[in-house]
Amino acid sequence: QITLKESGPTLVKPTQTLTLTCTFSGFSLSTSGVGVGWIRQPPGKALEWLALIYWDDDKRYSPSLKSRLTITKDTSKNQVVLTMTNMDPVDTATYYCARKQQLVRQDWFDPWGQGTLVTVSS
Amino acid sequence: DIQMTQSPSSLSASVGDRVTITCRASQSISNYLNWYQQKPGKAPKLLIYAASSLQSGVPSRFSGSGSGTDFTLTISSLQPEDFATYYCQQSYRTLYTFGQGTKLEIK
Repeated sequence: QITLKESGPTLVKPTQTLTLTCTFSGFSLSTSGVGVGWIRQPPGKALEWLALIYWDDDKRYSPSLKSRLTITKDTSKNQVVLTMTNMDPVDTATYYCARKQQLVRQDWFDPWGQGTLVTVSS
Repeated sequence: DIQMTQSPSSLSASVGDRVTITCRASQSISNYLNWYQQKPGKAPKLLIYAASSLQSGVPSRFSGSGSGTDFTLTISSLQPEDFATYYCQQSYRTLYTFGQGTKLEIK
């Protein structure tokens, strides 16, 4: 069974740095084709992809947030960490991590973690 | 960025109805299109990948079609548990983008 779970602060102040950890089980991030991504969802709004890290440590970021994001992995701990700098109230959202599954050139996110709500407020 | 536009934004339907949700890409994405279902307070769940492949465990009343810029998700006979929000997502470019969602409500 594959599971992912996000952890981190529920409340951060404006200008602070957010650090979120995705702890997963049931798969290895050293397996070719596998990745872990972060997606967020502001309350009542749509999903927004943030970042992705591949099994070979290749990394991709949303261009609009690239300057603020860093994604890393610790394969031995089965963890992926996302940091987002200079947090603002508009960054208030539920943050999800999800496994990126790949078949030939097709890929998709499955499964997803339960999500963690992060509120940015002073 | 590839923009994904879903229609309608919301839809009221009854149990047993056949429902179709449309997703349009701002450029051709071949069949690099996935569909997710999200229930209130829950994480999205993959329904369809590669435009028309049904994810394991997903009921066969769900189906997807399309290629290029126009895609559809069809639910052949709505069940009470299908009332949720549905999102399309393109995977043609690694700058993944989602549609704005279609909220399916009970009539």
